[in-house]
Amino acid sequence: EVQLVESGGGLVQPGGSLRLSCAASGFTFSPYWMHWVRQAPGKGLVWVSRINSDGADTDYADSVKGRFTISRDNAKNTLYLQMNSLRDEDTGVYYCVRDPPTVPELFDIWGQGTMVTVSS
Amino acid sequence: DIVMTQSPATLSVSPGERATLSCRASQSAGSSLAWYQQKPGQSPRLLIYGASTRATGIPARFSGSGSGTEFTLTISSLQSEDFAVYYCQQYNNWPPYTFGQGTKLEIK
Repeated sequence: EVQLVESGGGLVQPGGSLRLSCAASGFTFSPYWMHWVRQAPGKGLVWVSRINSDGADTDYADSVKGRFTISRDNAKNTLYLQMNSLRDEDTGVYYCVRDPPTVPELFDIWGQGTMVTVSS
Repeated sequence: DIVMTQSPATLSVSPGERATLSCRASQSAGSSLAWYQQKPGQSPRLLIYGASTRATGIPARFSGSGSGTEFTLTISSLQSEDFAVYYCQQYNNWPPYTFGQGTKLEIK
């Protein structure tokens, strides 16, 4: 079964840091671009970041640029999101999303999400 | 950035009837438009990509149309499991990939 399982969320104070992980299974991870998408409570979907298949190329939403870092370890089939200088508005569910090489920019598989709460 | 605007915000339809959801882009998205369904407490599920291609396992009652700046998702005969929030997303001009604010499809 194709699966993405996020972990690492939790409660953190403003200005703090968290590292999210996404473990991929059921498919060959290395050829796929990967993304993080977040959803504030009761709100819509917002794209956060993208990484290409070998990790050499990344993009970020303006709202997180300079604070968040996306990375991957293809040997461990794992995607990461290092989040620093967290703000209240970073609160939400963070989804790990797969982007297949056969149909680029397609968000075809989503993880179940991990909740990040930034609050004092 | 391309801004995606969905209408209506909430749509009330009876089971068995047709639902039509709209999505407008602030500039051309070509045919690089996807639709997602999200049920409460669940992650989004891909329904349509390329504006009109159903994703694997999606029932034929779901169809997408449009190009450029105007797109439509049609559900031909609503089933109970179809009541959810629907999001459109453009991937023609990125970063960023942008989503609409969502349309909540509720039972009338």
